Amino acid sequence: AQRVTQPEKLLSVFKGAPVELKCNYSYSGSPELFWYVQYSRQRLQLLLRHISRESIKGFTADLNKGETSFHLKKPFAQEEDSAMYYCALQAAGNKLTFGGGTRVLVKP
Amino acid sequence: EAQVTQNPRYLITVTGKKLTVTCSQNMNHEYMSWYRQDPGLGLRQIYYSMNVEVTDKGDVPEGYKVSRKEKRNFPLILESPSPNQTSLYFCASSLSPKNYGYTFGSGTRLTVV
Repeated sequence: AQRVTQPEKLLSVFKGAPVELKCNYSYSGSPELFWYVQYSRQRLQLLLRHISRESIKGFTADLNKGETSFHLKKPFAQEEDSAMYYCALQAAGNKLTFGGGTRVLVKP
Repeated sequence: EAQVTQNPRYLITVTGKKLTVTCSQNMNHEYMSWYRQDPGLGLRQIYYSMNVEVTDKGDVPEGYKVSRKEKRNFPLILESPSPNQTSLYFCASSLSPKNYGYTFGSGTRLTVV
């Protein structure tokens, strides 16, 4: 069975500082990994897909199969980045498993 | 506007009284899914559907039923709600989950007393 772990429940950083959200997974197959974000009073929305290797809103995430990690990074945090972030793993059979989430608070 | 619509947004009900939360999408997506979100537990998948009349259990299906009689709708049914089903529920849909991820609805906050 697949599992996604986000070890930090809360990350508090100052504006302009780097931020890194950790995500570790366990899955026997080839994983498809995503980061979703939920801003205050808004619906959950897709932020990044590992297959696209894109940078969205300054965020990047690299899949490290050796370490089974998919950490999310941004070099300079902005106040509008304050939100709840979820790492998710899409397994075979279209089962999507989420981590417990990390709340990011960017202080001015 | 392309979206996933859930109704109602808020619901308070009593133990044992059957209820249905509706979910509809206008994007012609084949894949649909239901999640519940609880503090400290993140989102957990209840049921998912890969097409009309094709559904499967997620991680926490006990106490829930779903149906997919047409592509656009995927209602969540609680035949006999209990207080431990008090939660925030999200419906989501996707054209191809592996390639595009899911589009989520606004959520339904359910309280069972």
